[in-house]
Amino acid sequence: DIQMTQSPSTLSASVGDRVTITCRASQSISSWLAWYQQKPGKAPNLLIYKASSLESGVPSRFTGSGSGTEFTLTISSLQPDDFASYYCQQYNSYPRTFGQGTKVEIK
Amino acid sequence: EVQLLESGGGLVQPGGSLRLSCAASGFTFSSYAMSWVRQAPGKGLEWVSTISGSGVTTYYADSVRGRFTISRDNSENTLYLQMNSLRAEDTAVYYCAKGGLGVSFTYLDYWGQGTLVTVSS
Repeated sequence: DIQMTQSPSTLSASVGDRVTITCRASQSISSWLAWYQQKPGKAPNLLIYKASSLESGVPSRFTGSGSGTEFTLTISSLQPDDFASYYCQQYNSYPRTFGQGTKVEIK
Repeated sequence: EVQLLESGGGLVQPGGSLRLSCAASGFTFSSYAMSWVRQAPGKGLEWVSTISGSGVTTYYADSVRGRFTISRDNSENTLYLQMNSLRAEDTAVYYCAKGGLGVSFTYLDYWGQGTLVTVSS
């Protein structure tokens, strides 16, 4: 199974900050990586697919990059609506696996 | 507009069974793979199972293989998850999610609101 490791687990930031979340795969997954945002009590929402493709309707302040085993999600200027949890997921092979999540909190 | 509506969750005793349903609309259901993903209280996301559009191909997490069965009724645009021999560690919110045109290299672009399954005596 491919293990996905996210860092940090928790991130404290202020509105307007540039924020970066890292996701590492235990083996190469090419670019088969998605990022999801989840707010408390809500379903996850797709942000990025194929490592760097922005899902329709997602603000351009969200950027994904990377390939192989190392990936990043960057929020260029954190907005109040962005305080949430973020998960990476590999879809290179089964079983599908998620990172453990990163909670972005208000500083 | 894509809509996914789960139902069937509830309280069940250890060793019991439950069947979850997910009613889909707004897309050609039979063309797309569908998945179940769960989230235990206060924990992260865990992929559970995926089924191809035709229903022929299925995949399961090791934690549920042999106990859970994913299926679909394309005439009713409905996805199912039959859960048997339930354990306390199966307690979670269960989400259905829409995949891509195949089962390979597809991400989850739409999610339902989730249904809570609680396994407890």
